[in-house]
Amino acid sequence: AQSVTQLDSHVSVSEGTPVLLRCNYSSSYSPSLFWYVQHPNKGLQLLLKYTSAATLVKGINGFEAEFKKSETSFHLTKPSAHMSDAAEYFCVVSDIGGGFKTIFGAGTRLFVKA
Amino acid sequence: DSGVTQTPKHLITATGQRVTLRCSPRSGDLSVYWYQQSLDQGLQFLIQYYNGEERAKGNILERFSAQQFPDLHSELNLSSLELGDSALYFCASSVGRADPSGNTIYFGEGSWLTVV
Repeated sequence: AQSVTQLDSHVSVSEGTPVLLRCNYSSSYSPSLFWYVQHPNKGLQLLLKYTSAATLVKGINGFEAEFKKSETSFHLTKPSAHMSDAAEYFCVVSDIGGGFKTIFGAGTRLFVKA
Repeated sequence: DSGVTQTPKHLITATGQRVTLRCSPRSGDLSVYWYQQSLDQGLQFLIQYYNGEERAKGNILERFSAQQFPDLHSELNLSSLELGDSALYFCASSVGRADPSGNTIYFGEGSWLTVV
């Protein structure tokens, strides 16, 4: 069965400093991995996805994530945080196990200080 | 705009009542998902339908039910409502096939339900 663990429930950074949001997953198949962002009172928006092509995936708004199979990780990074990045971020794993299930992580709340 | 449409956007109702939330998936998407998001429990997967049939079930209460119609729109029915059912309910859709491009899920803006 698939599972996904977001290692931090809250992350706080200063504007202009790097962002690292950590995600570990487990999957018995070749998974697809996603990061979604949710701004307050909004729906979830896809940031980026990995689907067995290049292991370094670039997304919107300067975010990127690296798929590391040996570490079963898919951490989300951004070189320089902006105030508008303050939001909740969800790591998601999807594979064909169990009739094609998609599992969401618990979310990481990113705070950006001026 | 994700292409997923949910109605109503906001709903206030009393305990014990029943409500129906409606969702139109993106054009061409066969899978519809329902999620509940509350402050204390975060984002909870409720149920998934694929082309009219139930595909996966999550933490959905027996008081809740859903269906997907032949035109692929979906409804989530919430009955005997309790104060704790107050939450943001998301509908999402995807192509629904295990294709190499990955099964991206697109979310609607959500329906805010307040039970008083």
